[in-house]
Order: sequence, then C-alpha cells, then structure tokens
Amino acid sequence: DARVTQTPRHKVTEMGQEVTMRCQPILGHNTVFWYRQTMMQGLELLAYFRNRAPLDDSGMPKDRFSAEMPDATLATLKIQPSEPRDSAVYFCASGLETGGEQFFGPGTRLTVL
Amino acid sequence: AQSVTQPDIHITVSEGASLELRCNYSYGATPYLFWYVQSPGQGLQLLLKYFSGDTLVQGIKGFEAEFKRSQSSFNLRKPSVHWSDAAEYFCALTLILTGGGNKLTFGTGTQLKVEL
Repeated sequence: DARVTQTPRHKVTEMGQEVTMRCQPILGHNTVFWYRQTMMQGLELLAYFRNRAPLDDSGMPKDRFSAEMPDATLATLKIQPSEPRDSAVYFCASGLETGGEQFFGPGTRLTVL
Repeated sequence: AQSVTQPDIHITVSEGASLELRCNYSYGATPYLFWYVQSPGQGLQLLLKYFSGDTLVQGIKGFEAEFKRSQSSFNLRKPSVHWSDAAEYFCALTLILTGGGNKLTFGTGTQLKVEL
C-alpha cells in the first residue's frame, strides 16, 4: 500500500531555531506539494515541484522558508529562523501530473514556542 | 481565475440521516473535480473524483457526488451518515486541463458534525 510519509510527525522548537521537515513521495510520482494548514488560514499551498524542479513557491515566505528535492525520493521544507506564527500542520502530497489527484501524507505538526 | 466555493462552514446531521455537502466552482472549462476528507489529526484522504463521463460518481465509504455543469456544482452525498463520518470535507479542482498539472484549488472546507 504505497503512501506518502512525513517526518517528524510532531516537532516542538523554540523561536529562532531551524526546522527541517521531510517527505518521501510515492514512488513514481513526479509532482510534490507542500501545504500549511492553520485554523485561521485553512489550507495554503507553499510549494509545488514537478520532476524535482520547483514550479511554484509563491505561497512561501521567501525570507525564512526554503523547499528542495535533493532526489526523487525526498522533499524537504526548511524554516530558518522559525517564529511562533509558523506553528501549523505541514502536509506533503504527491501525484502524477497527468493523473489529477494528489495523495497526502499524515502531516508534521509544528509548534514554535 | 478558478475558484471553489463551499458555502457551508459547519453542518450537523443526526446519525442515519442523509447528507449533502455543497460545492460550486468557477472555471473556464469542465474541470477535474475531487472531494477529500480529513479526520481529526489526519491528512487528507481522497473520497472520489470526476474527470469525465458519467456525472454521478461513486467513492469510498458510501459517498457519491454528482457533477452538474449547468449549475457549476459538484455536491457530495451520502444516504445514511455514520458517526465516524464526522470530519472536515474539502472540494477541489485541478488545473490539469489548462496546463497547470495536478495543482489543486481547494474550497475552504465544511466541518461535519454527527449527532448520535
């Protein structure tokens, strides 16, 4: 049963610290997405990769957030330095560009104190 | 620009009652449409999808949705709700037909509460 995996599932850190979240997309999928979900803003798209190349990161605060795909089996989302307002659940999703749907991971719940 | 509207933020139904969650979209062509469900503390799970063909689509967990082009709607239905259906439901469309790949535009979600 192929699924998207994310690590860590929970992260508590202090303001100013670096946070790295990892995602393993489903093998064979060529698109990867990072979302942030909060009560106030709902589900927001942060970044979108196709064949490991970033296509759209307009939803991501550029000064502190960065997203990369070092290889086809790993996507990372980094926050440096973290701030309390970054507290949220971060989801990774993957899919086939021609397939339409996205498959979501279980999320990383980030708390910045 | 494309958009998805879910007019109901919260809905409460009794267990065993029927359910209909509304979704309207704005798009320049016939879109690919999806319903996702998010249980508390979980990621989003695909319930069903519409690409083309039969406008009534069946999904998992006994859900179905009907695409109505004339009303730009894709409402989700279930004939008899179970307490385990309490969750948040998201309608979404993809930009695949306009070269946007499988990037999704989501509605704001409908929170379903089931009364026992």
